[in-house]
Amino acid sequence: NAGVTQTPKFRVLKTGQSMTLLCAQDMNHEYMYWYRQDPGMGLRLIHYSVGEGTTAKGEVPDGYNVSRLKKQNFLLGLESAAPSQTSVYFCASSWGGETQYFGPGTRLLVL
Amino acid sequence: QKEVEQDPGPLSVPEGAIVSLNCTYSNSAFQYFMWYRQYSRKGPELLMYTYSSGNKEDGRFTAQVDKSSKYISLFIRDSQPSDSATYLCAPKEAGTASKLTFGTGTRLQVTL
Repeated sequence: NAGVTQTPKFRVLKTGQSMTLLCAQDMNHEYMYWYRQDPGMGLRLIHYSVGEGTTAKGEVPDGYNVSRLKKQNFLLGLESAAPSQTSVYFCASSWGGETQYFGPGTRLLVL
Repeated sequence: QKEVEQDPGPLSVPEGAIVSLNCTYSNSAFQYFMWYRQYSRKGPELLMYTYSSGNKEDGRFTAQVDKSSKYISLFIRDSQPSDSATYLCAPKEAGTASKLTFGTGTRLQVTL
């Protein structure tokens, strides 16, 4: 039982490049979330999903897109990376919203 | 004003000390109050949570909520070096569709 896994662990991008972050969970959770964590800002919700095929915007959705084609996977896309998107990205999942289980994070540096 | 305020620290205490970590919040609709622990370069993990006001104890940890003053506390007894981490409070409203609102976290260091 791996819990929540994230791929890749670390990535360096140049401004304007695109990439996709993958989150996978093996707990059969309905809810999945993408957060970013920045110094002094705490964890901020980017997008979330309440079930396969559904997505919704969180607090800071601009510049990101998501897809939930399979229940166990939640993808976060950056179409045109900007230096302001340098951050640590965390994925989380939960049954019904209370107890969220987090992945180990992806460190992204945009030059 | 942020919905959830938390002193970022760092808070440095000697081993064996009692630690008090606190948050204030402004949203009266918050009903669930979570505490997450985050070790350096790791994802947050749920430590404990309480529903509405009152206390909840789990081993060396006690969570306390005072809804009348919108004040959340986490107490750690007999602190250990392994407790050195960042502690994030995260309240939420009732309902499965509602989301967690995280504080910025307080960094705790327990020294030998």
